[in-house]
Amino acid sequence: EPEVTQTPSHQVTQMGQEVILRCVPISNHLYFYWYRQILGQKVEFLVSFYNNEISEKSEIFDDQFSVERPDGSNFTLKIRSTKLEDSAMYFCASSEDGTSQETQYFGPGTRLLVL
Amino acid sequence: SQQGEEDPQALSIQEGENATMNCSYKTSINNLQWYRQNSGRGLVHLILIRSNEREKHSGRLRVTLDTSKKSSSLLITASRAADTASYFCATKVSGSRLTFGEGTQLTVNP
Repeated sequence: EPEVTQTPSHQVTQMGQEVILRCVPISNHLYFYWYRQILGQKVEFLVSFYNNEISEKSEIFDDQFSVERPDGSNFTLKIRSTKLEDSAMYFCASSEDGTSQETQYFGPGTRLLVL
Repeated sequence: SQQGEEDPQALSIQEGENATMNCSYKTSINNLQWYRQNSGRGLVHLILIRSNEREKHSGRLRVTLDTSKKSSSLLITASRAADTASYFCATKVSGSRLTFGEGTQLTVNP
C-alpha cells in the first residue's frame, strides 16, 4: 500500500540554524500538508499546498517557514533561524484531492530538536 | 474550549474488553476522522464519517456521529494489546485543515 515517507526521522540542530524537512507524498496525490506536534500537545495544522502554491496556512506558519515542491516527488518544509520552541514532531500528509471529504494520509514524522 | 476534545484522556482496559472514546467539537463540520498514533510514531487514519452519516463500521471499529450534540464516539470491540495507542479525533470544518483533539491514551492489558 502506498505510503507517505519522510526524511530524516530525527534531526538535531542548533538554535538559529536552518533545517529542511523532506517528504515524499503518495504518488497520485495532489494536495500536500504539514502539521506539527509539540511534545505532549495536539497535532497542529501548518500549511496546505496545491498546484505549486500555498492554499491555506495557519497563524503558526509565519515568515520563518516556507514550503516547496522542488521536483515531481518531493515536498519540503524549510524552517529558517530555528528557535527552541520549534522543537516538535513534524508530519507531512497528502490527499488525492482537496475535497471536504478527503482523507489525509500522514507520514511517520520527523522529530526535530533545537538546542 | 477548543474544537475536538476527547474523553477520557486515558483509558486502561483488559484484552477482550470494548473501549469507547468520545470526541466533542464546537462548530459545524464537514466530516470527522479518527486517527491512531503509536507512541512517538506517525498518525494512522482509521475512519472518516461525514456530517450526514450517523454510524460507520470498519472491522472492529464503530464510529457514531451526533451532529445535534456535536459529538462522536469511537468503539473498539474485542480489544487487543496491539490496540494500545493514542486515539485522536480530527474535524474538518472548511478548507483543507484538520483540527485535532488532545487524544485519548488507550492501554490494553494482556
